[in-house]
Amino acid sequence: NAGVMQNPRHLVRRRGQEARLRCSPMKGHSHVYWYRQLPEEGLKFMVYLQKENIIDESGMPKERFSAEFPKEGPSILRIQQVVRGDSAAYFCASTAIGAGELFFGEGSRLTVL
Amino acid sequence: GIQVEQSPPDLILQEGANSTLRCNFSDSVNNLQWFHQNPWGQLINLFYIPSGTKQNGRLSATTVATERYSLLYISSSQTTDSGVYFCAVERRSGYSTLTFGKGTMLLVSP
Repeated sequence: NAGVMQNPRHLVRRRGQEARLRCSPMKGHSHVYWYRQLPEEGLKFMVYLQKENIIDESGMPKERFSAEFPKEGPSILRIQQVVRGDSAAYFCASTAIGAGELFFGEGSRLTVL
Repeated sequence: GIQVEQSPPDLILQEGANSTLRCNFSDSVNNLQWFHQNPWGQLINLFYIPSGTKQNGRLSATTVATERYSLLYISSSQTTDSGVYFCAVERRSGYSTLTFGKGTMLLVSP
């Protein structure tokens, strides 16, 4: 499957636990974007990364959220000390270098109890 | 930031009907995409169309960048077309930090 791969597809956490979401970009793509879809807010950009470099994190909450895209392996979106308001669908997307067209993964749905 | 307005917010069609969805944006853009979110939540890329016209089967899209709007046409609609259609834009060239509209929810009944 050459598409954007996300896992886990569904994740349940209790308040205060940590959530880690993983994303492997489409083959040949080196730019990764994370978006969040909240029921009342729609789809919002969070962070844009290249290998070992955060390009734009203007949409990322200032606390508890972090993202990385290491030289080897998938991109990781990490949410520490989750709260109920973090319950959402988190989508990863990727593009090729110099291209604007964005391709999304199937999303990871986080539920915080 | 840039504003994106989509209309109509909801649309109900009989199978076989045609429809036009509209996206207005408040500033010049270098990136505009249309997506379909199906009932299972998957976001499917329909068109990358910052300007001009494209067609893909029963779907086509036109962006008039100078007038800051884009149109998505669905012809001979099918039940599998149901879902939410999003328009998303970005002002900066080479970036895909898209601003999404609130979407048009389409229901196609048999």
